[in-house]
Amino acid sequence: EPEVTQTPSHQVTQMGQEVILRCVPISNHLYFYWYRQILGQKVEFLVSFYNNEISEKSEIFDDQFSVERPDGSNFTLKIRSTKLEDSAMYFCASSLLGRWNTGELFFGEGSRLTVL
Amino acid sequence: GENVGLHLPTLSVQEGDNSIINCAYSNSASDYFIWYKQESGKGPQFIIDIRSNMDKRQGQRVTVLLNKTVKHLSLQIAATQPGDSAVYFCAEYNNNDMRFGAGTRLTVKP
Repeated sequence: EPEVTQTPSHQVTQMGQEVILRCVPISNHLYFYWYRQILGQKVEFLVSFYNNEISEKSEIFDDQFSVERPDGSNFTLKIRSTKLEDSAMYFCASSLLGRWNTGELFFGEGSRLTVL
Repeated sequence: GENVGLHLPTLSVQEGDNSIINCAYSNSASDYFIWYKQESGKGPQFIIDIRSNMDKRQGQRVTVLLNKTVKHLSLQIAATQPGDSAVYFCAEYNNNDMRFGAGTRLTVKP
């Protein structure tokens, strides 16, 4: 069964360092997303991406965040200068069609980021 | 605010009983809703969805009910099994993004 894969599963970094989280969405999917989940809290939307550009972003997704689809398979989330409060589980998701057709998102297992 | 902190509402049921998990959504303009299941250490997994032009939808062992008047969504799980133990989130679609609710932890006792 096709799945969304994410790397690394866990990254520990020092405050102020740059972090890149990587995702390989399901191959025929067209819409890509990043969500984050602070420990014990609900999943929060960060950004959606379609046709090589951001289609929607939340207030969390400030100038420290960026996304990129550098090739035909990877979808990355970059945090330029990490802060303590960026510590969270980051989930990548993809969907075949936009939400107006089917909203089913397929989530990866997540990348846990710990900022010290 | 939206966050409920570290303590999720918890529902504990006996194996074989039916479970009902409730969710209050925030935006009356939301027109599409999904229930997700999140097992420990894993990403959310789609369970069932419903559009706002419906008030009930059934899947295998699960039923979602939507009450738009009071902005309430519920997930019913029939004959709950130990493998159903997880955190359950409702999600609402508002324009182009999806927002998750706070989640409920379901614990199934054998």
